[in-house]
Amino acid sequence: DTGVSQNPRHKITKRGQNVTFRCDPISEHNRLYWYRQTLGQGPEFLTYFQNEAQLEKSRLLSDRFSAERPKGSFSTLEIQRTEQGDSAMYLCASSLDAGQQFFGPGTRLTVL
Amino acid sequence: AQSVAQPEDQVNVAEGNPLTVKCTYSVSGNPYLFWYVQYPNRGLQFLLKYITGDNLVKGSYGFEAEFNKSQTSFHLKKPSALVSDSALYFCAVRDIVGDYKLSFGAGTTVTVRA
Repeated sequence: DTGVSQNPRHKITKRGQNVTFRCDPISEHNRLYWYRQTLGQGPEFLTYFQNEAQLEKSRLLSDRFSAERPKGSFSTLEIQRTEQGDSAMYLCASSLDAGQQFFGPGTRLTVL
Repeated sequence: AQSVAQPEDQVNVAEGNPLTVKCTYSVSGNPYLFWYVQYPNRGLQFLLKYITGDNLVKGSYGFEAEFNKSQTSFHLKKPSALVSDSALYFCAVRDIVGDYKLSFGAGTTVTVRA
């Protein structure tokens, strides 16, 4: 167990609905990352935070996606107006500065 | 841009035999390379990394990897595979310009038969 937790572990939603995922990093880690993993592919970087500041966003993160990390602790990833193409595993990771990234178990999203 | 290729979708070996999972990379500058393993319904678990120094890196669970700069490879190896090593393995390279993003290969499914 790496210490990064994600909730929920599974989410099934209908197309057009909004969903929100939560990630709790390892407590002393100042960096938090979101990745997306689709079937048969490796994880792809979405965005990352240094403390509460969102410093980089991938072009994969369309305007329907928003991420926050209030107070530099937990983070949420919200997807608005979900599409079937959003179905994937959403992984969160954390690290202390540029050190090793520890991954959570992921949230599997299925959009019907 | 950094990229990683894992040329084999699947690797099948018998328990007790050597295991090799191949990875090649493309970066500008010096690479930071990683291997992760993923079990069903679990997140990625770190196995080992190469930053600098000795080309042979030893990691968790008896795994090691050999960095070869001339061949731009970072193959994962284990001298004697176990059935419990059956999992999905990912090679990754860290972005050099920004020290935050990991770029992963597509993964290699390892099956170790008893």
